[in-house]
Amino acid sequence: GAVVSQHPSWVICKSGTSVKIECRSLDFQATTMFWYRQFPKQSLMLMATSNEGSKATYEQGVEKDKFLINHASLTLSTLTVTSAHPEDSSFYICSARVPGGEKLFFGSGTQLSVL
Amino acid sequence: GQSLEQPSEVTAVEGAIVQINCTYQTSGFYGLSWYQQHDGGAPTFLSYNALDGLEETGRFSSFLSRSDSYGYLLLQELQMKDSASYFCAVRDMDSNYQLIWGAGTKLIIKP
Repeated sequence: GAVVSQHPSWVICKSGTSVKIECRSLDFQATTMFWYRQFPKQSLMLMATSNEGSKATYEQGVEKDKFLINHASLTLSTLTVTSAHPEDSSFYICSARVPGGEKLFFGSGTQLSVL
Repeated sequence: GQSLEQPSEVTAVEGAIVQINCTYQTSGFYGLSWYQQHDGGAPTFLSYNALDGLEETGRFSSFLSRSDSYGYLLLQELQMKDSASYFCAVRDMDSNYQLIWGAGTKLIIKP
């Protein structure tokens, strides 16, 4: 099946620093990727839809200047958490669909801890 | 508004059968999916129903009734490795075909 690779798996950083998370589709081209955030024991919350070659679409309440998304190629989308603060600590997961498919393939997720 | 409801927790015994229900309220229903997520891991796709009826994939089956806005995931011959959270998610035409997620059901399996 299709594979979505995400790294890093774990990030611990100091408050005020920026963190970049990469998401790659390894064996298919993804014109659209989705970035989710998940707090412990809670559901997935869609943050933004990343579109190759154009601006990301952010969900209501998600600060686009804080969570920068770049989708420069058909296989790579990046999420940068700028000036991270402890409240940004969370599990971030990317996903993508194979064109024409219904199934969402997820990356392995990134656990971000901001001290 | 759009919402999905599923039980927060279900407990079952190894080898038994368990059913996890999901009711939804959306304006532009397109299809119902189920995902499994183990603690610390990412969700993995289990099944998708766009039409009424039962879809079977090995030990797992999923059912949909569009007229009742209801679906369920049926897990048979439960194994300890099935202990996980299970999410139903509806693809909604009126939300740009995005997935709307349920809160998840934690399945606890006892030996």
